[in-house]
Amino acid sequence: KAGVTQTPRYLIKTRGQQVTLSCSPISGHRSVSWYQQTPGQGLQFLFEYFSETQRNKGNFPGRFSGRQFSNSRSEMNVSTLELGDSALYLCASSFGPEAFFGQGTRLTVV
Amino acid sequence: AQSVTQLGSHVSVSEGALVLLRCNYSSSVPPYLFWYVQYPNQGLQLLLKYTTGATLVKGINGFEAEFKKSETSFHLTKPSAHMSDAAEYFCAVSESGGFQKLVFGTGTRLLVSP
Repeated sequence: KAGVTQTPRYLIKTRGQQVTLSCSPISGHRSVSWYQQTPGQGLQFLFEYFSETQRNKGNFPGRFSGRQFSNSRSEMNVSTLELGDSALYLCASSFGPEAFFGQGTRLTVV
Repeated sequence: AQSVTQLGSHVSVSEGALVLLRCNYSSSVPPYLFWYVQYPNQGLQLLLKYTTGATLVKGINGFEAEFKKSETSFHLTKPSAHMSDAAEYFCAVSESGGFQKLVFGTGTRLLVSP
């Protein structure tokens, strides 16, 4: 069974731009959640989607948004990028209590 | 609200020595508890989980953890460290029966010397 796939693995963007990250969950998993990992703040929950509906959201500004498609694939978007948005963005898919993570997308904002 | 405290941002052991990584949690409802490992520039790999039932749980690569409700702890152990165990380890908690949302500790970097 294929794992969680995140694309792209690396991104460099300029401050003020927007970016879209993609996540393909494990086949059969309907829950997809997103996390931001930075050296200063650690691992922080962004949001979770289940059957195309956002079920839970973390404490991030409205510039961070996401969506889920009918095939459970998910995207997250960050608009008006700031230097502080540089981070490793991790996607996880779940069927039960445990979450399985992808390799992450490393976003660098310059 | 839930929270996780990992004591020690760095732990150093010799190869073959016991590994003990500490995790204490706070939760107002019965928790689900997890340990994840992260290698450089990689995602998180699930080592083991506690949901219900047996309080001593065994995971991959020889790791195990014991859920102690009275101490609100879920410490990770391995009898004999291997060089390949050097990585960062994260303890996480989520609400049982709740939505999928993990609250992570700040992580412990395990250093293994020959």
